Amino acid sequence: DAGVTQSPTHLIKTRGQQVTLRCSPKSGHDTVSWYQQALGQGPQFIFQYYEEEERQRGNFPDRFSGHQFPNYSSELNVNALLLGDSALYLCASSLVQGGYTFGSGTRLTVV
Amino acid sequence: AQSVTQPDIHITVSEGASLELRCNYSYGATPYLFWYVQSPGQGLQLLLKYFSGDTLVQGIKGFEAEFKRSQSSFNLRKPSVHWSDAAEYFCAVAVMEYGNKLVFGAGTILRVKS
Repeated sequence: DAGVTQSPTHLIKTRGQQVTLRCSPKSGHDTVSWYQQALGQGPQFIFQYYEEEERQRGNFPDRFSGHQFPNYSSELNVNALLLGDSALYLCASSLVQGGYTFGSGTRLTVV
Repeated sequence: AQSVTQPDIHITVSEGASLELRCNYSYGATPYLFWYVQSPGQGLQLLLKYFSGDTLVQGIKGFEAEFKRSQSSFNLRKPSVHWSDAAEYFCAVAVMEYGNKLVFGAGTILRVKS
């Protein structure tokens, strides 16, 4: 039974560019959440998707957007990248009420 | 505002010694509580969770945690630390009234000396 799969593992982007990160949830999970973890900090909640809709959003600008597909997989898009967007981006899947399973993350470096 | 506090940024213990990592939370409702472990450059692995019932929770790798409502605490313990336990540990809470999102503490880095 596969856990949460994130792609790519690493990527490097230039300031001002756009990036798309992908997440496949654990089998049977219908809710996907995204977190940003800057170096030396705890993960910060970006947003959560359920039934293809954004159900809740953290304190992140509109440059951060997402999508959930009918198969429950999800994408995180970040536009107009800033140096401060460099971080480990973690995807977590869960049932509506239940524990969370995290992927290994995507390491984004903005130069 | 919701918050999770892990007072210790770094902790160093000798291999074989006992360990306690502290976690305090601030919420109006009773939260769901979690401890995660993260090795450098890796994702988060769930050690244990508390939803309800017995306030002493057993987890993987010999870890346990105790929920104390009166102190708003959920401290993580291990009776004998192994060198492989060196990692960063995060306490997290989720409150159903707030959409079940996880709020994390800043983490505690555990160093194990031989």
